[in-house]
Amino acid sequence: EPEVTQTPSHQVTQMGQEVILRCVPISNHLYFYWYRQILGQKVEFLVSFYNNEISEKSEIFDDQFSVERPDGSNFTLKIRSTKLEDSAMYFCASNGKTEFTEAFFGQGTRLTVV
Amino acid sequence: AQSVTQPDIHITVSEGASLELRCNYSYGATPYLFWYVQSPGQGLQLLLKYFSGDTLVQGIKGFEAEFKRSQSSFNLRKPSVHWSDAAEYFCAVVTGGGNKLTFGTGTQLKVEL
Repeated sequence: EPEVTQTPSHQVTQMGQEVILRCVPISNHLYFYWYRQILGQKVEFLVSFYNNEISEKSEIFDDQFSVERPDGSNFTLKIRSTKLEDSAMYFCASNGKTEFTEAFFGQGTRLTVV
Repeated sequence: AQSVTQPDIHITVSEGASLELRCNYSYGATPYLFWYVQSPGQGLQLLLKYFSGDTLVQGIKGFEAEFKRSQSSFNLRKPSVHWSDAAEYFCAVVTGGGNKLTFGTGTQLKVEL
């Protein structure tokens, strides 16, 4: 069964460092997303990406964040200068060819900023 | 603003007992609704979805949910809970073009043996 793959599963980084979280969405999907879940809180939308550009982003997704689909298979989230409050589980998701189908989520990357 | 409310933060049931997890949404248009489950340290797995049609939808692992437009609810049910159902359950609704999801705060389910 096709699945969304995220790497790494855990990442520890020092405050102020740049991190790149990687995702391989399901191959024939067209919509891609990043969500995050701060420990003990709900899952929050960060950004959606379609046709090689951001289609929607939340207030959380400020200038420190960027997304890219560099090679047609990977989908990355970059945080330029991490803050303590960026510590969270980050989920990548992808959606199929048509609208109103379910999103498939990866297992997540737990980011810890120290 | 669109929102999803899960009133129960924690629920404890005995194995074999029935379960109902509540979800209320606030969304102006026809809602597209989902229930996801998250086991400890795991990602989000889709249990079931509602787009249109029959308001009672069946999902995986013996779960079902009923969409009630008049009550703006999409409650999740299971007739007999298994210990392996212990997890966190999230209700979600599509709130944007391109299928952006808004999640509820989640309900943590504990199953007593």
